[in-house]
Amino acid sequence: ETGVTQTPRHLVMGMTNKKSLKCEQHLGHNAMYWYKQSAKKPLELMFVYSLEERVENNSVPSRFSPECPNSSHLFLHLHTLQPEDSALYLCASSQRRGTSYEQYFGPGTRLTVT
Amino acid sequence: TQLLEQSPQFLSIQEGENLTVYCNSSSVFSSLQWYRQEPGEGPVLLVTVVTGGEVKKLKRLTFQFGDARKDSSLHITAAQPGDTGLYLCAGFPNAGNNRKLIWGLGTSLAVNP
Repeated sequence: ETGVTQTPRHLVMGMTNKKSLKCEQHLGHNAMYWYKQSAKKPLELMFVYSLEERVENNSVPSRFSPECPNSSHLFLHLHTLQPEDSALYLCASSQRRGTSYEQYFGPGTRLTVT
Repeated sequence: TQLLEQSPQFLSIQEGENLTVYCNSSSVFSSLQWYRQEPGEGPVLLVTVVTGGEVKKLKRLTFQFGDARKDSSLHITAAQPGDTGLYLCAGFPNAGNNRKLIWGLGTSLAVNP
């Protein structure tokens, strides 16, 4: 595998379910990101991890819980989601967190909350 | 609030035509990036521009960063169906939290054979 991979690619869940999204990067990067992409909105940065430490949490509801066990893996644990949480969830990585460091994205998980 | 406005929002053209899409702001950016996102995929980085007035070419794609580093353009020559996708610009602002990438809404391009 190369680049950034995400699983699953598609997920349909009810509002009472618990699920997890997985991201893995094979680029040797030290920073990882979760983004939410919804129609008619710019990409929304949710969480940033740098060297496995969460360094940014952009007012994301607690029903989203990130986990970064090592610099190559990132999870997003989901529970009691709302229909408005339906979106494309993108994982990205960069060499470091900071100005001009380029981000490499995974293919995303298309999440539908019913 | 630092915003990146992209225009046009939608563009549908025939194969072989030329086009330009724009990314504008009232704020100064230390760098700007252009991404292309195909349906069902994540954004893929095309180029980063960092110097005011800089021009970069990637085959049939020409990227320009404005002299004042507030705007950028992407010109495609002789567009092909493979150019179809959502073109996103994103930048690191000069002021404030310059480690947070600011994103535009994108230009959705359809190139018809």
